[in-house]
Amino acid sequence: DTAVSQTPKYLVTQMGNDKSIKCEQNLGHDTMYWYKQDSKKFLKIMFSYNNKELIINETVPNRFSPKSPDKAHLNLHINSLELGDSAVYFCASSQLAYEQYFGPGTRLTVT
Amino acid sequence: AQSVTQPDIHITVSEGASLELRCNYSYGATPYLFWYVQSPGQGLQLLLKYFSGDTLVQGIKGFEAEFKRSQSSFNLRKPSVHWSDAAEYFCAVGGLGGGGADGLTFGKGTHLIIQP
Repeated sequence: DTAVSQTPKYLVTQMGNDKSIKCEQNLGHDTMYWYKQDSKKFLKIMFSYNNKELIINETVPNRFSPKSPDKAHLNLHINSLELGDSAVYFCASSQLAYEQYFGPGTRLTVT
Repeated sequence: AQSVTQPDIHITVSEGASLELRCNYSYGATPYLFWYVQSPGQGLQLLLKYFSGDTLVQGIKGFEAEFKRSQSSFNLRKPSVHWSDAAEYFCAVGGLGGGGADGLTFGKGTHLIIQP
């Protein structure tokens, strides 16, 4: 049973397009997150959702928007994609402040 | 602001030798500390965590880490490495800020290379 899953695993698209990445967790956790890992493998928090409420937004461009239809899902929508958005995006979940469980990642390539 | 420093970008160790990866953190309150491992093309796997109590914590795959508050450090150790330990290792800090939903702050990672 996969605890945190993401789709797609790879996403190749052109500049200016709009795309979404889906995330689901079956751990019953209250909080879900999106992280961005750049080409130097640096991981940075983008968003977190707790009980369907956005808790934190780390100066991410408003072209990025998280959408949570229910507690088990946190999808990432990206509008007007730019070359600099190319990265690996990880979804994670946790129960309160405890350890986070990460998905396998989505490698986004913008051409 | 919280931060994590992993001073070693790359470390090369011979198979069977001991390993220590360094991590220093800055956090205004009681920190929760984590070590994650990322194999090539994979997601992050939790190796171990420290919340409170015994400052020497045991993790999976034979890893351990020691929390030293006076040095703001949380170094990862393994007595004998295996070739399969070659990966990227990340130290991270979090806490109860924002009801626990502040997310983790990661170090820049240490790339571990194992020599045969």
